[in-house]
Amino acid sequence: GQQLNQSPQSMFIQEGEDVSMNCTSSSIFNTWLWYKQDPGEGPVLLIALYKAGELTSNGRLTAQFGITRKDSFLNISASIPSDVGIYFCAGYNNDMRFGAGTRLTVKP
Amino acid sequence: ETGVTQTPRHLVMGMTNKKSLKCEQHLGHNAMYWYKQSAKKPLELMFVYSLEERVENNSVPSRFSPECPNSSHLFLHLHTLQPEDSALYLCASSQDFGRVSGANVLTFGAGSRLTVL
Repeated sequence: GQQLNQSPQSMFIQEGEDVSMNCTSSSIFNTWLWYKQDPGEGPVLLIALYKAGELTSNGRLTAQFGITRKDSFLNISASIPSDVGIYFCAGYNNDMRFGAGTRLTVKP
Repeated sequence: ETGVTQTPRHLVMGMTNKKSLKCEQHLGHNAMYWYKQSAKKPLELMFVYSLEERVENNSVPSRFSPECPNSSHLFLHLHTLQPEDSALYLCASSQDFGRVSGANVLTFGAGSRLTVL
């Protein structure tokens, strides 16, 4: 169905390293979104993608809408301690579906 | 106040209590949502209101009762909850509902952390 498979579940990296996470589905989505949730807060939108193949950057973050419309990835370059949190992918096609999240830990 | 505001931030209640969660959005959006967030699971959509009309109810137990008195306010009334209902309850809003465009992008509140004893 429209389940989103997000990986990895968690990542432990050193400050300064690059990070890559992705989301896949067996269903096609018309919009892909990436959110970040800090501890004790609600998810905050990082990047929204509306067209297949679209590559969008927001500072050190880069996300792509897969050509098949069934996947998306998020890269974070040169990670810093404040990148810690849970990153969620979301796909929209009549309604919004969410992945289970990638928990990122950055060691100084 | 800007964005989406949720109160209370934390709530502890017994199984026989009746309480309510409140959400207010200051974005002029037409759609509001309740989501349940449990550890290591995807966000679960509970209810959607568009222009104050309920448009989606995802098989949520009747012990959860939503209310949308106007386009800026959304409530979730709670009664005779179970311990497994303990979770973070997130309110969100979007410009519109059901359109494939930026109008469906969700803005979330900080959540209400509910603990049922």
